[in-house]
Amino acid sequence: GENVEQHPSTLSVQEGDSAVIKCTYSDSASNYFPWYKQELGKRPQLIIDIRSNVGEKKDQRIAVTLNKTAKHFSLHITETQPEDSAVYFCAASSEEKLTFGTGTRLTIIP
Amino acid sequence: DGGITQSPKYLFRKEGQNVTLSCEQNLNHDAMYWYRQDPGQGLRLIYYSQIVNDFQKGDIAEGYSVSREKKESFPLTVTSAQKNPTAFYLCASSPGGRETQYFGPGTRLLVL
Repeated sequence: GENVEQHPSTLSVQEGDSAVIKCTYSDSASNYFPWYKQELGKRPQLIIDIRSNVGEKKDQRIAVTLNKTAKHFSLHITETQPEDSAVYFCAASSEEKLTFGTGTRLTIIP
Repeated sequence: DGGITQSPKYLFRKEGQNVTLSCEQNLNHDAMYWYRQDPGQGLRLIYYSQIVNDFQKGDIAEGYSVSREKKESFPLTVTSAQKNPTAFYLCASSPGGRETQYFGPGTRLLVL
């Protein structure tokens, strides 16, 4: 089955700086890669996703890049703000289900 | 995700007791999922269903059971065989297997 690894597990950045979270996956058949943001005690919410026929996707301060050859994808958040503090999960879709990474706790330092 | 509801918000289980968590969606989604989340951990798949009257085990199905009698509903039963049930349980739905999943608000299960 699919295996997704996510790094780092914790990340602290100064407000206004950029944050990068990286994930690798094992199943070359995976073709859908969403990113979720989860605030404390709340449900995960989709923030951006990418399909395997696209190399990069942007939505305002958030971008995701995908390297199918290397089987890795990354989340980039620019101009970070205090409300970006949360746990972020990557996921990869294969066999009609999502496999999630273990999460990155992002803390924005004012 | 506003179309997915879970109840109750908190649930207390006594030793040897089976408890059932409710998940309902009005998004007309075919696929539904149950995940378990332990403190500081990721999401682990318990069971999933791609269509009514059919479901598959996920990575941690032991001690849990599900049913999918209606498209809108996918209840999860935590049986007495699950020795460490304390966790945050999340239900999700999606239009199909490789589509965006939308999550319910979750049920926090505690053992008395």
